Amino acid sequence: DVVMTQTPVSLSVAIGQPASISCKSSQSLVGTSGKTYLNWLLQRPGQSPKRLIYLVSKLDSGIPDRFSGSGSETDFTLKISRVEADDLGVYYCLQGTHFPYTFGAGTKLELK
Amino acid sequence: QVQLKESGPGLVQPSQTLSLTCTVSGLSLTSNSVSWIRQPPGKGLEWMGVIWSNGGTDYNSAIKSRLSISRDTSKSQVFLKMNSLQTEDTAMYFCARTSGGWGQGVMVTVSS
Repeated sequence: DVVMTQTPVSLSVAIGQPASISCKSSQSLVGTSGKTYLNWLLQRPGQSPKRLIYLVSKLDSGIPDRFSGSGSETDFTLKISRVEADDLGVYYCLQGTHFPYTFGAGTKLELK
Repeated sequence: QVQLKESGPGLVQPSQTLSLTCTVSGLSLTSNSVSWIRQPPGKGLEWMGVIWSNGGTDYNSAIKSRLSISRDTSKSQVFLKMNSLQTEDTAMYFCARTSGGWGQGVMVTVSS
């Protein structure tokens, strides 16, 4: 199975400051179609996960452009340009290229 | 508006079979794929399997021998059946559309 390694495990950020989360995969996530099926999700406390980004860098509808995704092959990053209180929760990366699909262990974003 | 909602028993006895239903609205199962994902209390996410828009399925090999996913397109429902449940199967179970959108989840406890 593809192992998704997320760092850091937790992140303490002040409102208005930037944040960055890394996700590294144990093998390339480029699929046979040439597309890279790497997603980012946010699970707020007590809620189900919500997808923020798909195909490495495409924002889902309604997701503010404070969020951005980048990367290629095995190395991916989620950046928040200016953290807001609504951004708190656990962020997961998810690869959808190889079966079984696998998640990172999560990064907990807290307010400083 | 796309909605997914899981339903099923909250308590299952060890060695018994779990049956869950995911009822969707605002989307057609013949043009969308739906996955099942679970999350043990306080832990990360595990992808279980998917039913594709053409009715085909793929499963996580770790639980493939115990798992079955099916659907009734006329009722807009996706079903999960997993047998030989053990205490480690205690988790929140989610259904999610591959192209975005998760249900609220249903908590399943395996206990005698």
